[in-house]
Amino acid sequence: NAGVTQTPKFQVLKTGQSMTLQCAQDMNHEYMSWYRQDPGMGLRLIHYSVGAGITDQGEVPNGYNVSRSTTEDFPLRLLSAAPSQTSVYFCASTRDPGNTIYFGEGSWLTVV
Amino acid sequence: EDQVTQSPEALRLQEGESSSLNCSYTVSGLRGLFWYRQDPGKGPEFLFTLYSAGEEKEKERLKATLTKKESFLHITAPKPEDSATYLCAVINQAGTALIFGKGTTLSVSS
Repeated sequence: NAGVTQTPKFQVLKTGQSMTLQCAQDMNHEYMSWYRQDPGMGLRLIHYSVGAGITDQGEVPNGYNVSRSTTEDFPLRLLSAAPSQTSVYFCASTRDPGNTIYFGEGSWLTVV
Repeated sequence: EDQVTQSPEALRLQEGESSSLNCSYTVSGLRGLFWYRQDPGKGPEFLFTLYSAGEEKEKERLKATLTKKESFLHITAPKPEDSATYLCAVINQAGTALIFGKGTTLSVSS
């Protein structure tokens, strides 16, 4: 039972580099989302998707891009990494927000 | 504005010393309040969902309760393995995602 799978687990980037955090779920969930977790700030929503082809911004979307071409995958793209994007990133999915929301194990990103 | 506030930020207990964690929330039309447990280096792990005032749910040494303005996570006779950060969240007004509190870090010593 894979659930929500995130890759990579750890990544170090240089300022200005781009990269994609991958997220895949095998539960056929329509709703997927990306959060970042920073010390003292809690989990904050970056972007979310309510189904293939539909995405929207969350609380902290600047510097990030998403797309949803399939139900299973929801990648998060950093277009030009900045030190302020150093954080732990969590992908989540659910059948609908009123039900249990499942989280991945997280991706630790450091931008130097 | 949807908001979730958890208290205390940190709590230290002796094994067997019962206590409660608080989660106060502000959201128009509560669609669901969630409790999660998060261990260091891991993603949040689902514990409970509460939907209406007066509702209670239990799991082992944990019991979650809900009123119109807050939720409590009661921990009865905790053990060291209950040490973790406990997160509270509500579904946002748009019904599309969770709004999290900053969490309570619980440490239980033997």
